[in-house]
This record gives sequence, structure tokens and C-alpha cells, in this order.
Amino acid sequence: SQQGEEDPQALSIQEGENATMNCSYKTSINNLQWYRQNSGRGLVHLILIRSNEREKHSGRLRVTLDTSKKSSSLLITASRAADTASYFCATRETSGSRLTFGEGTQLTVNP
Amino acid sequence: DAGVTQSPTHLIKTRGQQVTLRCSPKSGHDTVSWYQQALGQGPQFIFQYYEEEERQRGNFPDRFSGHQFPNYSSELNVNALLLGDSALYLCASSLWTGGEKLFFGSGTQLSVL
Repeated sequence: SQQGEEDPQALSIQEGENATMNCSYKTSINNLQWYRQNSGRGLVHLILIRSNEREKHSGRLRVTLDTSKKSSSLLITASRAADTASYFCATRETSGSRLTFGEGTQLTVNP
Repeated sequence: DAGVTQSPTHLIKTRGQQVTLRCSPKSGHDTVSWYQQALGQGPQFIFQYYEEEERQRGNFPDRFSGHQFPNYSSELNVNALLLGDSALYLCASSLWTGGEKLFFGSGTQLSVL
């Protein structure tokens, strides 16, 4: 079963614009992670945020976590055509437990 | 430093057949997890192996089985294939202790006809 639900399912923007994707989940978590997948290839880890953190940055990525609302958002600033991919949030309920993925957001960045 | 490698990359089988997929984890990793990803969906957890034992299992039937070898590599076996087993099968490796993030291979695309 899916733990996370991403919103929107698909997003199309112009190069240089910011892209925001949202993720909601159902249970208490230890951490939440975002992964990227290019056209049916393997997933690549982007960023991890722990349940006691509210915001984290990595390069052009900014992740927020609101445990009271059981939601997270991923912001990609100054997007590039190479950012075109599917983005998945994944949650871990306890340390060492399985990582459960959402359905993903398909991001298209038009040059 | 070799990443996660999976073989084969593509496979075509017919209903009722059996298939074996293989995975070599990233150097230094001791834990392997398998995921099934249907087209347009997120990855679904199948099971996880550590120290040659299945440690966690998702909601998959017994037709799905696995194995981990002493060198940490792993196999996923699926018996009595169904059309619905057609998917991208992803292997991910990590560290059992302190390994929060997963490193994925490129996957095996299985088509069942």
C-alpha cells in the first residue's frame, strides 16, 4: 500500500521557474525522503529530512516537513530542462523499517 | 566505486513461467531491498534481505521469493508468472546499521505475455 500521496500528479513549467511538489502521508514517521527517477530508470536519492526537522536545503532543493499536517513539500528553484523527471516522496516509520513510496509527481521543464 | 548493478536489463516471459532477477549491491553495503514498480506508479516494497535472511516483507504472494548470498548479492525469484507481474523490478542497497537512504540499480524490465 502507498503511504505517501504526491500532488500534483503532473507539473509543467518553463526553464527558470520554481517547481513545488507536495506529499502527504498517513502515519507517524522517523524520516521522509525525496527521490528522483528519469524515465523508468533507477531512483536517485535527493534529500532526507528527519521528523524533528522543519526545513532542509541542498543546492537548489528546499524541503519542508509539517508533522502536524503529515505533509512535506519539495521546492526546486531556477529549474532546468535536465530537472525533467518523476519525483517521489518516501517515508520511514521507524529507524530500519521499510521505505514506503508515494505515487510520484511527473515534472516537465520546458526549455 | 561500483554502484548497484542488476541483470538482466530486460526480460520477456510467458504466463506460468518462472524468472530469476539478480542484484549486486553497492560496494560496502550489506542490505538489499527489492521493489516492484508498475507503469506510472510508485515503487512497491517486496522484501528486504540482511545476513542472508528475509527481514521484512511487503504484501506480495509466496510466488515471490528471494535469496541473499554471503557476498551480499541477491536474487528475486517469481514463480507461476501472471500478466500482472509485468513491471520494472528495482533493487536497492543500503547499510543495515545507520543506512537511511537507498541506492537503486537501473532495474529489470519484465514483460509477461
